[in-house]
Amino acid sequence: KQEVTQIPAALSVPEGENLVLNCSFTDSAIYNLQWFRQDPGKGLTSLLLIQSSQREQTSGRLNASLDKSSGRSTLYIAASQPGDSATYLCAVFNYNQGGKLIFGQGTELSVKP
Amino acid sequence: EPEVTQTPSHQVTQMGQEVILRCVPISNHLYFYWYRQILGQKVEFLVSFYNNEISEKSEIFDDQFSVERPDGSNFTLKIRSTKLEDSAMYFCASAGVGRSYEQYFGPGTRLTVT
Repeated sequence: KQEVTQIPAALSVPEGENLVLNCSFTDSAIYNLQWFRQDPGKGLTSLLLIQSSQREQTSGRLNASLDKSSGRSTLYIAASQPGDSATYLCAVFNYNQGGKLIFGQGTELSVKP
Repeated sequence: EPEVTQTPSHQVTQMGQEVILRCVPISNHLYFYWYRQILGQKVEFLVSFYNNEISEKSEIFDDQFSVERPDGSNFTLKIRSTKLEDSAMYFCASAGVGRSYEQYFGPGTRLTVT
């Protein structure tokens, strides 16, 4: 059974720092991996999707990497800003008929001005 | 940019009542999903729907739950005889094959069962 774990659970950094969020999964037979942002009481915003055949994806100040064989992904945020404060969720997609996303518990990020 | 919409944003109901949560997926998408998030917990998969039928469902999705795509644009989740533990945020998502099954989520419906 696929399990997704994110560490740390919470992270507080001063504005301008570069930071790394970690995600690990137990079954490497994934189709893709998505990183999401969730603001308090709100929905999920897709940030990046990495296909199982890819090693990394970039969007602006965000860079996500994937090492499928070791069951790990990282989300790198460059030059963090207070507006980056949110919970970041990692989810893996196991394609099976309709497929489903299996989520980690998230990392709550706080960027202090 | 197209987006998934959900109504209502917040629903309060009494235990034992039936509720219907509504979603309008992105128009050219083919795969539809419901997830839920109990406060402070992980987002959990409930059900996936493709080609007018359920393609996969979780252990949570028992006979109390049903889904329907009544008119080619709406996608609904019905919860019969609600329980206190059904209180959660319910998210609808949709995906199109051309985007590698990237799922786009709606803003959610907060269901409170009293």
